[in-house]
Formats: sequence, structure tokens, C-alpha cells
Amino acid sequence: DAGITQSPRYKITETGRQVTLMCHQTWSHSYMFWYRQDLGHGLRLIYYSAAADITDKGEVPDGYVVSRSKTENFPLTLESATRSQTSVYFCASSGLAGNTGELFFGEGSRLTVL
Amino acid sequence: GENVEQHPSTLSVQEGDSAVIKCTYSDSASNYFPWYKQELGKRPQLIIDIRSNVGEKKDQRIAVTLNKTAKHFSLHITETQPEDSAVYFCAVDSGYALNFGKGTSLLVTP
Repeated sequence: DAGITQSPRYKITETGRQVTLMCHQTWSHSYMFWYRQDLGHGLRLIYYSAAADITDKGEVPDGYVVSRSKTENFPLTLESATRSQTSVYFCASSGLAGNTGELFFGEGSRLTVL
Repeated sequence: GENVEQHPSTLSVQEGDSAVIKCTYSDSASNYFPWYKQELGKRPQLIIDIRSNVGEKKDQRIAVTLNKTAKHFSLHITETQPEDSAVYFCAVDSGYALNFGKGTSLLVTP
């Protein structure tokens, strides 16, 4: 009965390394999202997905890759981490089209890139 | 994408006073306007939302008003309590997701 969970919760990595943040939801929601939260910028959309195998770019997609082979999982990969990607990352899901219904957020993954 | 401006960025009120946070948006086609509350170290959670066919919505001490003509909406919190201290985000639908304002840090002092 976890709802939506993210892992890892905290991660420290070095510039140039690949990092994958995991997101898993148990509601079978169609819509899933990745946002990053930075001071002074609020929540900015990285990628979203309307269903399995359907993904699209948001406002700040550069340097990130996503996949959605199963409805319940939506991993976010930083192919070659940069210091500017130090942030708190939130995964979210919604049972309605993401622009019309409540978003349920995970607990967040705090990533530090050294 | 949808441009969402939120003001003020910080707000300090005394317990029992009212707090008002305002957001403006640019896309007249937007129809859904939620507000999220994020306590320190926690995830954002929906506290109230309004759709374009409604001008005002209340839920106990919180209310949201919408002026579609002027393209702005506001969050009103009455009789504030210390537990209302948090960051509040407005959001606007963009056609495929929500675009969030930059947040207002509300501090309620006893």
C-alpha cells in the first residue's frame, strides 16, 4: 500500500556518471511525470508519460532520458550527470490527464552531483 | 509553455491573520487551477483546486478565487495557524501537464 515511491531518496554522484532514479506507483495511473525542484525555480517538468511506451519532453528535458515499459514504473536516467543537475527530483502520477486532475507526488529524490 | 507568475515569494503573518497569495497566467485556454502545499522536507500535496466554470471555492479556512478575464487566481487562508507554515505553489494546466509557479514561503508566527 505504498502509493508512489521513489528510490533512492538520497544520492551523491560525480560529474559524468550515469544515474537512474526510480519511480513506482501502485494505483495503475496512466499519467506519470518527473519534476525537478530548485530554489527560485519552483517545480519544473522534465518528462511526462500518458501511458506505457508513450513519453514526451517537458520544459527542461536536456540531459535526461526516460522510459516506461510498464504502467507502474517510470525511471529517470541522467546519462552523464552535471553539477547543474543537482536538485530534488519528484515523480508524480495522476489517474486523469495530468493537466486536469490531482497529482500524487512521491517523497522526492535528492541528488547531489560533485 | 504556460507562464505562471506567483506573488509574493515570501509572506509572514501573525497567527490568526489572513494570508493571500496571487498567481497570474498567460494562456486563456487554461481551465484547471490547483494549489499545492509543501511542508519542509515533504512532498507537495493538493489542498484545493478550481476549474474555469467556477469563480470561487471554499474548504474550511482556505478558499480560491478565479478571474478568467484578468487571468489571475488567488489562494486565501483565514485564521492562520502555525501549521499553515509551508511553501505554497499555484499551478495551471498546460494541455498535457501542470505548470507551477515558483512558490510562496508562508511563515505564521505565534
